[in-house]
Amino acid sequence: KAGVTQTPRYLIKTRGQQVTLSCSPISGHRSVSWYQQTPGQGLQFLFEYFSETQRNKGNFPGRFSGRQFSNSRSEMNVSTLELGDSALYLCASSIGVIAGELFFGEGSRLTVL
Amino acid sequence: QQQVKQSPQSLIVQKGGISIINCAYENTAFDYFPWYQQFPGKGPALLIAIRPDVSEKKEGRFTISFNKSAKQFSLHIMDSQPGDSATYFCAASYRQAGTALIFGKGTTLSVSS
Repeated sequence: KAGVTQTPRYLIKTRGQQVTLSCSPISGHRSVSWYQQTPGQGLQFLFEYFSETQRNKGNFPGRFSGRQFSNSRSEMNVSTLELGDSALYLCASSIGVIAGELFFGEGSRLTVL
Repeated sequence: QQQVKQSPQSLIVQKGGISIINCAYENTAFDYFPWYQQFPGKGPALLIAIRPDVSEKKEGRFTISFNKSAKQFSLHIMDSQPGDSATYFCAASYRQAGTALIFGKGTTLSVSS
């Protein structure tokens, strides 16, 4: 059974640009959530989608957005990039809608110059 | 009140020793407490989890101890092995948050042979 797939794995952008990251969940998983991981702040919850609807949102500015498609694949977008957006962005999928095991991908490493 | 405080930040243990990582929380609405293990270049993976209706859960060499009155929980790794060297994150969640997890800042464990 294939795991959570995230693309691209690495990318470099400059300030002011925007970026779109993609996540394919485990087959059968309908919940997808996104986390930002940095050395200083650790793992922080961005948002969660279930059946194409955003169910929860973390404390991030509106520059961070996401969506989920009918096949459960998800994308997140960061507009007007800032240096502080440099991070590992992790996608996780789960089978249910309440707290339980999250299956993480290997992440997309974003560097903003 | 949404924080999960984790200590120590780093830990060095001899092979065969016991590794202990502690976490504390404030929000009494939390009802799910997982521990995740992360190796370099990989996403976090669920190690073991507990709900507050039990005080201890053991899976192989890994044990969670949970103290509801003190609002603390800890991970014990018995007979620590070099392969256990990784970063460990405690986390917490509550039913209304869906699958969103609040993570501690992480503990980097090094097991020396």
